[in-house]
Amino acid sequence: KQEVTQIPAALSVPEGENLVLNCSFTDSAIYNLQWFRQDPGKGLTSLLLIQSSQREQTSGRLNASLDKSSGRSTLYIAASQPGDSATYLCAVKGGAQKLVFGQGTRLTINP
Amino acid sequence: NAGVTQTPKFRVLKTGQSMTLLCAQDMNHEYMYWYRQDPGMGLRLIHYSVGEGTTAKGEVPDGYNVSRLKKQNFLLGLESAAPSQTSVYFCASTHGIQGLDEQYFGPGTRLTVT
Repeated sequence: KQEVTQIPAALSVPEGENLVLNCSFTDSAIYNLQWFRQDPGKGLTSLLLIQSSQREQTSGRLNASLDKSSGRSTLYIAASQPGDSATYLCAVKGGAQKLVFGQGTRLTINP
Repeated sequence: NAGVTQTPKFRVLKTGQSMTLLCAQDMNHEYMYWYRQDPGMGLRLIHYSVGEGTTAKGEVPDGYNVSRLKKQNFLLGLESAAPSQTSVYFCASTHGIQGLDEQYFGPGTRLTVT
């Protein structure tokens, strides 16, 4: 059974810092990995999707990498801003297009 | 383009009552999903559908039923609500085609069962 782990559960950093969020998964037979952002009381917003054949994807200040063989992904956020404060979730896609989610990292950027 | 919408946004039920949550998407997606999100448990898949007229069980299907009579709609039913079904429910959809398989989520329905 696929298990997805995100460490740390919470992270607090000062504004302007570059930071890395980690995601690990137990079964390397995945189709893709997706990073989401969730603001309090809101739904999930897709940030980046990496296909299993890809190594990384970039969108603005965000860069996500995937190492399928080691079961790891990282989300790099450059020059963090208070507006980046949210919970970040990673999810891996297996059979029947089903996603398995990690429990998220709650990120706080302090002005 | 509204994306994925959910109705209602909030609901309070008494134990034993029934209700239906409606999910609608206007992106012509084949795949639709219902998840629940609980503190400390993350997001868990309840039921999903790979196309109009099909449904399948996810990780936590007990106490729920679903129907996909139209491609754009996916209904989640609670026949006899229990306090353990207090949760935030999210609907999602995707094309499911390689390169078009990003999942899009609705805003959620916050359900309280007393």
